[in-house]
Amino acid sequence: DADVTQTPRNRITKTGKRIMLECSQTKGHDRMYWYRQDPGLGLRLIYYSFDVKDINKGEISDGYSVSRQAQAKFSLSLESAIPNQTALYFCATSGFDGSGADTQYFGPGTRLTVL
Amino acid sequence: GENVEQHPSTLSVQEGDSAVIKCTYSDSASNYFPWYKQELGKGPQLIIDIRSNVGEKKDQRIAVTLNKTAKHFSLHITETQPEDSAVYFCAASYNQGGKLIFGQGTELSVKP
Repeated sequence: DADVTQTPRNRITKTGKRIMLECSQTKGHDRMYWYRQDPGLGLRLIYYSFDVKDINKGEISDGYSVSRQAQAKFSLSLESAIPNQTALYFCATSGFDGSGADTQYFGPGTRLTVL
Repeated sequence: GENVEQHPSTLSVQEGDSAVIKCTYSDSASNYFPWYKQELGKGPQLIIDIRSNVGEKKDQRIAVTLNKTAKHFSLHITETQPEDSAVYFCAASYNQGGKLIFGQGTELSVKP
């Protein structure tokens, strides 16, 4: 979805390196999320933010940190990458639609490989 | 916390047949159940959702049913087409959306 952009789209790095994944959205939503996707495990929530001053841990936050720089920007950092953080990472944003549901919109994903 | 189980993990059907994907959830407080379709190389996209005050919802060839007593919900795709081939995820939330717990995904393959 062009309304949610993620950079980079692909990244290969080495164990121990610091990595930052960036997300921007133009939907004007307050809520943003970071998920990790692994085969057979679905999408698991890493961190979420319901507004600029609100940051919450998700199911699997260990080894990750986030920064909400503005309403439109939410970045995910791996302070010291390890091989089992190799995965597909998705950013999402959500807002209440006409039906009254808080619908999530996903970015195209970042494929991260840690060697 | 909430847990969502999704079955089957893979599903292969012939073009024109129907496909059914099932999910169960653990938290009886959950009240919002979206379904997402993920095509190769793309992020998940919402295709249909249902809230707990409704038992069934349809949108053209897709429908979702919800059984709150049994804590089951299902996605039904009729008259499948090759472009329906994708990975489908169910999810559950107790706050009309927002923080979602996802199922493990179903890889649907529609053979011409």
